[in-house]
Amino acid sequence: EDQVTQSPEALRLQEGESSSLNCSYTVSGLRGLFWYRQDPGKGPEFLFTLYSAGEEKEKERLKATLTKKESFLHITAPKPEDSATYLCAVPTGNQFYFGTGTSLTVIP
Amino acid sequence: EAQVTQNPRYLITVTGKKLTVTCSQNMNHEYMSWYRQDPGLGLRQIYYSMNVEVTDKGDVPEGYKVSRKEKRNFPLILESPSPNQTSLYFCASRTRTGLTYEQYFGPGTRLTVT
Repeated sequence: EDQVTQSPEALRLQEGESSSLNCSYTVSGLRGLFWYRQDPGKGPEFLFTLYSAGEEKEKERLKATLTKKESFLHITAPKPEDSATYLCAVPTGNQFYFGTGTSLTVIP
Repeated sequence: EAQVTQNPRYLITVTGKKLTVTCSQNMNHEYMSWYRQDPGLGLRQIYYSMNVEVTDKGDVPEGYKVSRKEKRNFPLILESPSPNQTSLYFCASRTRTGLTYEQYFGPGTRLTVT
């Protein structure tokens, strides 16, 4: 069964303390892996799409990487405004499967 | 401004009272989808539509109906809501062409069924 798993469920970081979030998947024939940011009470906001192992994408303090089995979202020197839930998703056929997300809190 | 809109944003209703949540997008997207989001379960796809008059079930379609009579609109219908349909609902759209498959999400509808 196709599956998307994210870890950790929650992460608390001091401002400036870099870390990584993990998204592992068991989808066969990957047609892209997507990262979203979701603020409380709002819809997910698109961050990155990765298509092949070895690919990397960057945006401000965020960098997403992809291997054949998992993706990492690296957060470098985070700021309090980076606090949010980060979701990953993969398409299978015409459907999308989301992980349950990592709730990130950055403490000033 | 490119956007997906949903109405209402908040809804409290009683068991069995039919309701409709509207979704509209102004990006001329072919693909539209409904999700529900529950704590610990994440976002789960309810129904999706590849184009006008083409709809298909997602992972959790029981108790829901959809229709796609116009490209821009994709309403979600709960014929007889039950308390287990209390959830946060999101509509999303994307183009079917291109490489990104990027989905644009609406602001969400928080539904409470008592």
